[in-house]
Amino acid sequence: DIQMTQSPSSLSASVGDRVTITCRASQSISSYLNWYQQKPGKAPKLLIYAASSLQSGVPSRFSGSGSGTDFTLTISSLQPEDFATYYCQQSYSTLYSFGQGTKLEIK
Amino acid sequence: QVQLVQSGAEVKKPGSSVKVSCKASGGTFSSYAISWVRQAPGQGLEWMGGIIPIFGTANYAQKFQGRVTITADESTSTAYMELSSLRSEDTAVYYCARDQYCSSTSCSSYYFDYWGQGTLVTVSS
Repeated sequence: DIQMTQSPSSLSASVGDRVTITCRASQSISSYLNWYQQKPGKAPKLLIYAASSLQSGVPSRFSGSGSGTDFTLTISSLQPEDFATYYCQQSYSTLYSFGQGTKLEIK
Repeated sequence: QVQLVQSGAEVKKPGSSVKVSCKASGGTFSSYAISWVRQAPGQGLEWMGGIIPIFGTANYAQKFQGRVTITADESTSTAYMELSSLRSEDTAVYYCARDQYCSSTSCSSYYFDYWGQGTLVTVSS
C-alpha cells in the first residue's frame, strides 16, 4: 500500500500569512494527488486535483504543486475561513490512501 | 446539481452489522464510482473501498477485506456499504463520495468531488 505523510501535523498562522503544507508519498504517484479541506462537523471539500488543478469554485489563493513523491499545498494569503484541517490523498493506486491531516489554527 | 444523501445515524452492538446507504441525484449514477471513507472521532480520513456501478466491481482496503461489502443498485441510484463484526473501534462517521468517471472503456477524474453528509455509526454494548 502507498503511505502518505503530511507535514506539519499542525500549524499556527495569522490572517494574511502564506502557508505551505507538504505531502510525501512512499513511492512515486506521478500527479495523482488531491487535496481536501475539512471543517469541524462537515464533509471534506475538494480543493486541488491532479496535484495542481484548482477545483471549480475554489479561491485562487489555493495552489498545488509537485509530482512523483513530493507535493505541496500553498495558501497565498490566509483568510479567516481557511482555518481547517487539510488532507492529501493519492489516487495512483486503486487502493486509495490519505495523509494523516494538517490542522491549520489561528495564531 | 449532484447530491449524495446518506441514511441516518445508527447505534449497533458489538459483533453485529451495519448497512449505510448513499442515494445519488443530479448525475449519471452508473458512470461514476462511489467510494466510502470513514472518520473516527478526532481522527483522520480512512478510505474503505469503492465500487464502479457500470462495471459492478468493488475493491476494498486491505484493512477491511472480509468485513466490508460495497454494492450499488443502478435502478435506484443508491450505493451501500455494509460492515460486519462491528467493534467499538468502528465507531465513526462514514462518508460516501463520488469518485472516478468511467466509460465502457476507460476511467478518469480520480478524485472525490462530491460527498454525502456523513452517517454516524456508534458501536456500543
